[in-house]
Amino acid sequence: DAGVIQSPRHEVTEMGQEVTLRCKPISGHNSLFWYRQTMMRGLELLIYFNNNVPIDDSGMPEDRFSAKMPNASFSTLKIQPSEPRDSAVYFCASKGLAGESGELFFGEGSRLTVL
Amino acid sequence: GENVEQHPSTLSVQEGDSAVIKCTYSDSASNYFPWYKQELGKRPQLIIDIRSNVGEKKDQRIAVTLNKTAKHFSLHITETQPEDSAVYFCAASYRASKIIFGSGTRLSIRP
Repeated sequence: DAGVIQSPRHEVTEMGQEVTLRCKPISGHNSLFWYRQTMMRGLELLIYFNNNVPIDDSGMPEDRFSAKMPNASFSTLKIQPSEPRDSAVYFCASKGLAGESGELFFGEGSRLTVL
Repeated sequence: GENVEQHPSTLSVQEGDSAVIKCTYSDSASNYFPWYKQELGKRPQLIIDIRSNVGEKKDQRIAVTLNKTAKHFSLHITETQPEDSAVYFCAASYRASKIIFGSGTRLSIRP
């Protein structure tokens, strides 16, 4: 397996534009997480899905952020409209069923810069 | 809500010495405690984990201890080497489902 695949790796956009980040989890994993990493706040959990269903989105900063998982092999994180304070590295991670190994496998991250 | 606190935020040790990073968690239902290492510009990767039915776990130079009563857990790295320089994150989870990370510790190994 190629691991968790994220795109784009880098995104530079202007304030007010829509940003869509994409993630393909490891095949067979049924839990998917979105994290945001900044120097100030570390690794913040934004939302996670089990079996494509959002379980906890309490970490989503505000209504400008939304996430979907239409099927087991694809998820998106959308920011609309984007703001400079959204600049961060966004990681997607996946893992297998609870009760099995709890290891999270991270993608390489999407570095977002909002000007 | 769930919270994980991690200390120190930065740590510098002489090569060959030991390093200790400490975490506390708030949710008493947490039962899975992993540690991740993130090298500069890379993704976090699991280095060791412990479940609540175990008090200590060791893997070569790395060990983790857990005190469930005090809701504390710690990472111990012995005989530190230059390649141990990285940011280390602790985390806590309930049923290995929702996984909350601490704020990270930047470990530097002095030659």
